[in-house]
Amino acid sequence: QVQLVESGGGVVRPGRSLRLSCAASGFSLSTSGMHWIRQAPGKGLEWVAAISADVGHEHYADSVRGRFTVSRDDSSNTLFLQMDSLGTEDTAVYYCAKGVYSGSYFCDNWGQGTLVTVSS
Amino acid sequence: ELVLTQSPATLSVSPGDRATLSCRTSQSVSSYVAWYQQKPGQAPRLLIYGASTRATGVPARFVGSGSGTEFTLTISSLQSEDYAVYYCQQYSSWPLFGPGTRLEIK
Repeated sequence: QVQLVESGGGVVRPGRSLRLSCAASGFSLSTSGMHWIRQAPGKGLEWVAAISADVGHEHYADSVRGRFTVSRDDSSNTLFLQMDSLGTEDTAVYYCAKGVYSGSYFCDNWGQGTLVTVSS
Repeated sequence: ELVLTQSPATLSVSPGDRATLSCRTSQSVSSYVAWYQQKPGQAPRLLIYGASTRATGVPARFVGSGSGTEFTLTISSLQSEDYAVYYCQQYSSWPLFGPGTRLEIK
């Protein structure tokens, strides 16, 4: 069955970088649009970034465009989120999720999340 | 700019009763609405997509309806495991989530 396992979260100083990983199993990343969605402590869900199936076009929320980069490694079936110039507003649990395309995307499978804390 | 609102913010319902959750979009999204359930410390779980189609394994007591700008999630005969936060999401454009409705035990 589909499984998504995030890793790479932790505590980081403002202005620094962090790279999140999401190991996928039970399906091929290249056949599904994949998403990063975050949730600040006690807050709601915020879509962050996506990479489309096949050619891997990237898409970003305005709040992270130019600072975050989504990518994937098809050989290891792993999704990544490179986060640069982190600010305290980026503190959140980051989920990777498998998208289903219809118009745009909804997400039918989610990982358990990894916590990123940006603090001095 | 597309905006999603959910009402009420908190809903108190007794076990066995019916809960009705509302989601409104600021412009038409056709039927491109999904609903998710999130319990404390857990990832969201897809319940409904296409406004009214239940995801795999979702009990029949979860019913989604609506189109255009007005959407409803109805949970009939609430079970203890249904108390959670519920989010709607539109996907006529890049994903956007509503602020959520917390369903609590009355």
